[in-house]
Amino acid sequence: GQNIDQPTEMTATEGAIVQINCTYQTSGFNGLFWYQQHAGEAPTFLSYNVLDGLEEKGRFSSFLSRSKGYSYLLLKELQMKDSASYLCAPVNSNYQLIWGAGTKLIIKP
Amino acid sequence: IAGITQAPTSQILAAGRRMTLRCTQDMRHNAMYWYRQDLGLGLRLIHYSNTAGTTGKGEVPDGYSVSRANTDDFPLTLASAVPSQTSVYFCASSDSTGAGELFFGEGSRLTVL
Repeated sequence: GQNIDQPTEMTATEGAIVQINCTYQTSGFNGLFWYQQHAGEAPTFLSYNVLDGLEEKGRFSSFLSRSKGYSYLLLKELQMKDSASYLCAPVNSNYQLIWGAGTKLIIKP
Repeated sequence: IAGITQAPTSQILAAGRRMTLRCTQDMRHNAMYWYRQDLGLGLRLIHYSNTAGTTGKGEVPDGYSVSRANTDDFPLTLASAVPSQTSVYFCASSDSTGAGELFFGEGSRLTVL
């Protein structure tokens, strides 16, 4: 079957670094997306990885290991506005995104 | 810049009633999708359309129907609403039927009593 596993909730301090992990099992693989979703709002695109390694985009970086079925999202210099849910979504062989339940990130001053 | 517009943003509906959630995009994207989002669960695909005139079933299609008469519009219809269809519904579009970035509407919160 297809399965996505990411922590339900994490807490971090403003200015710090946090890593949100995601492990996945899908039927086929065509890359992995990370989306951010603030409470009551729509998801917005953060990153897409299709090859192994680290992709850096400003304060956010995303890592992929296809052989391990593993990805993480790294957020640096945390700001209060980073409080949101972060959704991991690998793409299966039918090019459908399989969504995790999301990790709710709480930033404390 | 509109992007994707959904209507209504919120609706309370009696069980057994028919309801259509509207979705319009102005980005000329070929692919469009309807998802539902429930607490503690990931987004689940209801129906999708890779291009105007074609539709397909997603993970949870039962009780829902869609049409794609043109590129811009992709309405979702609940023929006879049931309480288990209480959810937040998101419409999304992509310029790729492969692994392309999804652009989401603001969501429609539906409560079926």
